[in-house]
Amino acid sequence: EPEVTQTPSHQVTQMGQEVILRCVPISNHLYFYWYRQILGQKVEFLVSFYNNEISEKSEIFDDQFSVERPDGSNFTLKIRSTKLEDSAMYFCASTSGRNTEAFFGQGTRLTVV
Amino acid sequence: AQSVTQPDIHITVSEGASLELRCNYSYGATPYLFWYVQSPGQGLQLLLKYFSGDTLVQGIKGFEAEFKRSQSSFNLRKPSVHWSDAAEYFCAVGHLNAGNMLTFGGGTRLMVKP
Repeated sequence: EPEVTQTPSHQVTQMGQEVILRCVPISNHLYFYWYRQILGQKVEFLVSFYNNEISEKSEIFDDQFSVERPDGSNFTLKIRSTKLEDSAMYFCASTSGRNTEAFFGQGTRLTVV
Repeated sequence: AQSVTQPDIHITVSEGASLELRCNYSYGATPYLFWYVQSPGQGLQLLLKYFSGDTLVQGIKGFEAEFKRSQSSFNLRKPSVHWSDAAEYFCAVGHLNAGNMLTFGGGTRLMVKP
């Protein structure tokens, strides 16, 4: 069964460092997303990406964040200068169309120290 | 603004008992509704979805949910809970006009007693 894969599963970084979280969406999917879940809180939408550009972003997704689809398979989330409050589980998701369900990856747990 | 409320943060049921997890939403149009389950250390797995049509939808693992427009609810049910159902359950509403993003509820953590 096709699945969304995320790497790494866990990343520890020092405050102020840049991190790149990687995702390989399901191959024939067209819409890509990043969500985050701070420990003990709800899952929050960060950004959606379609046709090689951002289609929606939340207020969380400020200038410190960027997304990219550098090739035909990977979808990355970059945090330029990490802060302690960026510590969270980050989920990548993809869908095949506008009215279809999202498939989620296993998540990357980011710990900023 | 769109929102999803799951009033129960924790629920404990005995194995074999029935289960109902509550979900209420606030959305300006016809909602697309989802239930996801998250086992410890795992990602989010789709249990079921409602887009249109029959308001009682069947999902995986014996779960079902009923969309009630008059009550703005989409409660998840299972007639007989198994120990392996212990997990966190998230209700979500999809926004077609906003990049198909999902707004999640706060989640309900289900514990199953032997």
